[in-house]
Amino acid sequence: DVKVTQSSRYLVKRTGEKVFLECVQDMDHENMFWYRQDPGLGLRLIYFSYDVKMKEKGDIPEGYSVSREKKERFSLILESASTNQTSMYLCASYGRSRNQPQHFGDGTRLSIL
Amino acid sequence: DQQVKQNSPSLSVQEGRISILNCDYTNSMFDYFLWYKKYPAEGPTFLISISSIKDKNEDGRFTVFLNKSAKHLSLHIVPSQPGDSAVYFCAASSRKTSYDKVIFGPGTSLSVIP
Repeated sequence: DVKVTQSSRYLVKRTGEKVFLECVQDMDHENMFWYRQDPGLGLRLIYFSYDVKMKEKGDIPEGYSVSREKKERFSLILESASTNQTSMYLCASYGRSRNQPQHFGDGTRLSIL
Repeated sequence: DQQVKQNSPSLSVQEGRISILNCDYTNSMFDYFLWYKKYPAEGPTFLISISSIKDKNEDGRFTVFLNKSAKHLSLHIVPSQPGDSAVYFCAASSRKTSYDKVIFGPGTSLSVIP
């Protein structure tokens, strides 16, 4: 069974801090994604990566960056956290075959004070 | 502008009855559609999908119907059970794009009343 693990379930940070959210998957998946979920807006794609060291911007990349140094790990970085980045962050992955469903982690509830 | 719309934020259904969740999309390039289910404090889990070459796909109590001309799909749950209470996300993607970008709708919160 695919396991996508996000390092923290809940996180509280202050404005201006640099924040790291970590995601690890154990199925050797090529594709990994970071979303944020906000009420009434569904899941919005921040960044995705289709291979090690490769990254592509999603729909809302501003204020975020990512790192993929190893295939199994995809990190989301908030360069200077702001209160409007308070949200639920979800990591997902799937393999090389197209039209596979994504497997999601349980999410990180991030609060920026 | 949302490319995938779920116009009902919430839905309440009696246990044993049918639940119908609706989804509309605007981009005619979409050719693959998925439904995900999400419980509180958990990530979304894949439920069922349908390709645009079909108009119906069934998996146990769950059936998805696709009407391409209307750019509309629906998820039917029969019979509904209390454990089906969750948020349901409709999602769409296109094999015509160079990468697998999936667009999610805002979600419908389903409550199944015992």
